[in-house]
Amino acid sequence: DGGITQSPKYLFRKEGQNVTLSCEQNLNHDAMYWYRQDPGQGLRLIYYSQIVNDFQKGDIAEGYSVSREKKESFPLTVTSAQKNPTAFYLCASSSGTGRYQPQHFGDGTRLSIL
Amino acid sequence: AQKITQTQPGMFVQEKEAVTLDCTYDTSDPSYGLFWYKQPSSGEMIFLIYQGSYDQQNATEGRYSLNFQKARKSANLVISASQLGDSAMYFCAMREYDAGNQFYFGTGTSLTVIP
Repeated sequence: DGGITQSPKYLFRKEGQNVTLSCEQNLNHDAMYWYRQDPGQGLRLIYYSQIVNDFQKGDIAEGYSVSREKKESFPLTVTSAQKNPTAFYLCASSSGTGRYQPQHFGDGTRLSIL
Repeated sequence: AQKITQTQPGMFVQEKEAVTLDCTYDTSDPSYGLFWYKQPSSGEMIFLIYQGSYDQQNATEGRYSLNFQKARKSANLVISASQLGDSAMYFCAMREYDAGNQFYFGTGTSLTVIP
């Protein structure tokens, strides 16, 4: 079945540590996205990528970094510069053509500070 | 200005009744798509329904329908015959043609279905 796989489901970060969240899709989608969701809140865009080797900052990119070396993969690194990383992180993808195509989401990663 | 506005932080509905979740949007792009997602407490985002700006008829998917009023820039989600499993957060989203692949989300509405 086609879909988006996020791993790990739960992740703990120590002070001063960088951690990487994985996102893989086999939907052959061009565009991929990372969102942050705080408890009881909506989704805030961190980064998005429309094609391989290209990505744009979203509303809250500070303290995060991404890469897009393969179409299927869009990992997110939460750096030590992100002082409040505890949140639920959602990865999504969408077709690059057909502007009425929805985003498809992974099941999310819950990140906490130790 | 907010691209998507959901003014109902929380809603309650009796089981088997219908409920309407409000969504208004702001765009000057004549070509756009509107989407609704459901997020249960487990966290995954489930795509429910979409409406294209040029679609003449309101979209329907099973018990979900989208009440699209273009002149008022509203795209309300109607859930008929509510079930206990409908209790979740609901998000309205928009994709503009000129914005490429960027999506805009509202702040969500928490729906609780009462037995």
